[in-house]
Amino acid sequence: KAGVTQTPRYLIKTRGQQVTLSCSPISGHRSVSWYQQTPGQGLQFLFEYFSETQRNKGNFPGRFSGRQFSNSRSEMNVSTLELGDSALYLCASSSGLAGGQSSYNEQFFGPGTRLTVL
Amino acid sequence: GQQVMQIPQYQHVQEGEDFTTYCNSSTTLSNIQWYKQRPGGHPVFLIQLVKSGEVKKQKRLTFQFGEAKKNSSLHITATQTTDVGTYFCAGPMDSNYQLIWGAGTKLIIKP
Repeated sequence: KAGVTQTPRYLIKTRGQQVTLSCSPISGHRSVSWYQQTPGQGLQFLFEYFSETQRNKGNFPGRFSGRQFSNSRSEMNVSTLELGDSALYLCASSSGLAGGQSSYNEQFFGPGTRLTVL
Repeated sequence: GQQVMQIPQYQHVQEGEDFTTYCNSSTTLSNIQWYKQRPGGHPVFLIQLVKSGEVKKQKRLTFQFGEAKKNSSLHITATQTTDVGTYFCAGPMDSNYQLIWGAGTKLIIKP
């Protein structure tokens, strides 16, 4: 089974520009979550999409947005880039379906897109 | 709000020494997951604990879930260079499917 793929792997942009990142989940997975990771920081949750609907959202400004297509592929967009947006952006896929009240499906991460804003 | 605290932030050990990281949740968790991120890599799922008091082992790694399901630990016996990385715990929020992540513990092997 192919893993989670993210494109591009590296990106350099300048302040004020916008960027779109792409994530293709594992076949059959309907949930895609996006995270921002900066050096020395943990995983900051951006949002989660399930069956083309945003199901959860973290505490990021509206410049960060996303969408999910009918084939479960997801895109994340950041507009008006700031220097502080430089980070590793990770997406994770899962089935998104809790197997009862006491379990939660593991997340499979992609290799990430490293965004540098100059 | 619901939080998962993870300590320590870093742990420096000599190769062969043991390593432990702890997670504490502000609320009862239905389950807890552990992930490992190697330097330059992405998080990889290690294990999920579901039952109160559960203990699971993977070779030199021992995972525990507290009786109250509010804390968990990962213990590595006799660390090796392949264990280097950051270990994260994560648990689901009460109200939705979102995972709340600990800040991670970075395991560093002293030269």
